Amino acid sequence: GAGVSQSPSNKVTEKGKDVELRCDPISGHTALYWYRQSLGQGLEFLIYFQGNSAPDKSGLPSDRFSAERTGGSVSTLTIQRTQQEDSAVYLCASSSGRQTTIYEQYFGPGTRLTVT
Amino acid sequence: AQKVTQAQTEISVVEKEDVTLDCVYETRDTTYYLFWYKQPPSGELVFLIRRNSFDEQNEISGRYSWNFQKSTSSFNFTITASQVVDSAVYFCALGLEYGNKLVFGAGTILRVKS
Repeated sequence: GAGVSQSPSNKVTEKGKDVELRCDPISGHTALYWYRQSLGQGLEFLIYFQGNSAPDKSGLPSDRFSAERTGGSVSTLTIQRTQQEDSAVYLCASSSGRQTTIYEQYFGPGTRLTVT
Repeated sequence: AQKVTQAQTEISVVEKEDVTLDCVYETRDTTYYLFWYKQPPSGELVFLIRRNSFDEQNEISGRYSWNFQKSTSSFNFTITASQVVDSAVYFCALGLEYGNKLVFGAGTILRVKS
């Protein structure tokens, strides 16, 4: 079946502009995650959605970052007033995990964000 | 706090050599999960294995094998008879029972030369 899809694949924006990144998880997966991978770095957790529960926002680096998940499926990560340090690859993942265990996460191809 | 350390930043081997990628983790939880992911040059992370803390049995999948040792908090990954297609960045990750997120190591770049 289809994997996790993300759009756009690349985004170049000017400093100070807002951007929206989209993630379509694997159908039927209840858990959705956003991570950030900066150049040469590991993955940094941003936010986690599980079903209808309140999201875990503990990884969001500032209040310029927010995310929504509509209808338990598609998610949008929004970065307001982008800064150059926001330049990174933003990865979305989904899994069939419940809240009391953690299953393998399947990752999308990522959105490469460049802030000029 | 949870932490994953992959001390090897980069490893270069010649095709057909065996190579082991090290992973050391830290957690105070008794129930946790360990993962390995491969990130080839194309960029998309590929899931390789998931292990829970109660299962210390080593696992073999083709040329891949994993050695989980709770006594040393390590979950090492060995590729036997490496191939050029194994060239990638490999990430080890830790997940907790109620933590929901994965904590990743910094990754190890593996270069396999023909």
